[in-house]
Amino acid sequence: EIVMTQSPATLSVSPGERATLSCRASQSVNTNLAWYQQRPGQAPRLVIYGASTRATGIPARFSGSGSGTEFTLTISRLRSEDFAVYYCQQYNNWPPLTFGGGTKVEIQ
Amino acid sequence: DVQVVESGGDLAQPGGSLRLSCEASGFSFRLYEMHWVRQAPGRGLEWVSSIGGDGGTLYYADSVRGRFTISRENARNSLYLQMTSLRAEDTAVYYCASVSGYADAFDIWGQGTVVTISS
Repeated sequence: EIVMTQSPATLSVSPGERATLSCRASQSVNTNLAWYQQRPGQAPRLVIYGASTRATGIPARFSGSGSGTEFTLTISRLRSEDFAVYYCQQYNNWPPLTFGGGTKVEIQ
Repeated sequence: DVQVVESGGDLAQPGGSLRLSCEASGFSFRLYEMHWVRQAPGRGLEWVSSIGGDGGTLYYADSVRGRFTISRENARNSLYLQMTSLRAEDTAVYYCASVSGYADAFDIWGQGTVVTISS
């Protein structure tokens, strides 16, 4: 099983600033890595797939990078609606499909 | 619009059973692999089970194998999760999810159905 580790667990950022979230895989997942946003009380929403491709309707301030075992989600110029929990997920080698533990982006 | 709607969540006792349903619309259901993902209260996302478009390929998380059964009825655009021998740790919101042709990760999610296991 591929273990996904996200850091930090909580990220405090001011609106308008940049947030950088990290995700590490226990073995290479190539670029088969997705990021999801989950707001309180809502279902997850796909943000990035293929490590760097924005999903439909996702604004350009969201960007993903990385390959192999190290990945980054960057949110530039944070807006109020971006404060949420973000999960990474690998789909390179499954079952099982595995998610990271999440990073909560909160208002500083 | 592409949509999946879960139902069937309820309060059940440890050792009991529940059957979850997920009804799909707006896409060619029979062509898509379908998945169940759950989220325990205050916790992260956990993949539970997957089924191929024709129902012939089934996968389960170790935590549910032997207790849960995934199935589908393509004529009804419906996905199911039969849950037996329920445990307190099965308490979670259960989401139905899939991958559309526009992405290769879960871009279709339902709103979830709540399962609570307690005596």
